[in-house]
Amino acid sequence: ILNVEQSPQSLHVQEGDSTNFTCSFPSSNFYALHWYRWETAKSPEALFVMTLNGDEKKKGRISATLNTKEGYSYLYIKGSQPEDSATYLCACSDNYGQNFVFGPGTRLSVLP
Amino acid sequence: DGGITQSPKYLFRKEGQNVTLSCEQNLNHDAMYWYRQDPGQGLRLIYYSQIVNDFQKGDIAEGYSVSREKKESFPLTVTSAQKNPTAFYLCASSIDPSTHYGYTFGSGTRLTVV
Repeated sequence: ILNVEQSPQSLHVQEGDSTNFTCSFPSSNFYALHWYRWETAKSPEALFVMTLNGDEKKKGRISATLNTKEGYSYLYIKGSQPEDSATYLCACSDNYGQNFVFGPGTRLSVLP
Repeated sequence: DGGITQSPKYLFRKEGQNVTLSCEQNLNHDAMYWYRQDPGQGLRLIYYSQIVNDFQKGDIAEGYSVSREKKESFPLTVTSAQKNPTAFYLCASSIDPSTHYGYTFGSGTRLTVV
């Protein structure tokens, strides 16, 4: 069974701080890694999809990296703002997309 | 605007009763999915459907049933056989069922059994 872990479980930062969190997954048969942002009372929103080792994606102040050989992805937020407060989910697929499993999420709170 | 609509947002059910959660999409996506979220856990797959009139069990299908009579609709029934039905339920659809790219989610239904 594909097991996806995220750390930390929750995080509180001050406005303006930069932060990062981790998604870990088995490196064998890796296919793709997805990041989502899930704000309270809204639908999860896709941020990035990465497939190749060394991939880096950026959207505004948010960026992500992928290391498929060691089985992890980092999500970075530069200069956190209160509107960044959300749960950040990663999901990993293996075996050419046959299995698709979500991690438990990292809950970020940005304090003004 | 295209999207996924889940209704209702909150649902209360008496123990022993079946209840059906609605999920409708107008994105013309072939694949649709039902997930369950419990505190501290990731989204767990209940059922999925890659095409009309076909659906497959996910990781935690026991106590649930689905139908896919129309492309737009994928209702989930929580039966009385589901031992712990109180949870948050999320519906999703995707363009490509083989790669899971382009997932679009609904806003969820919170079910409470009283």
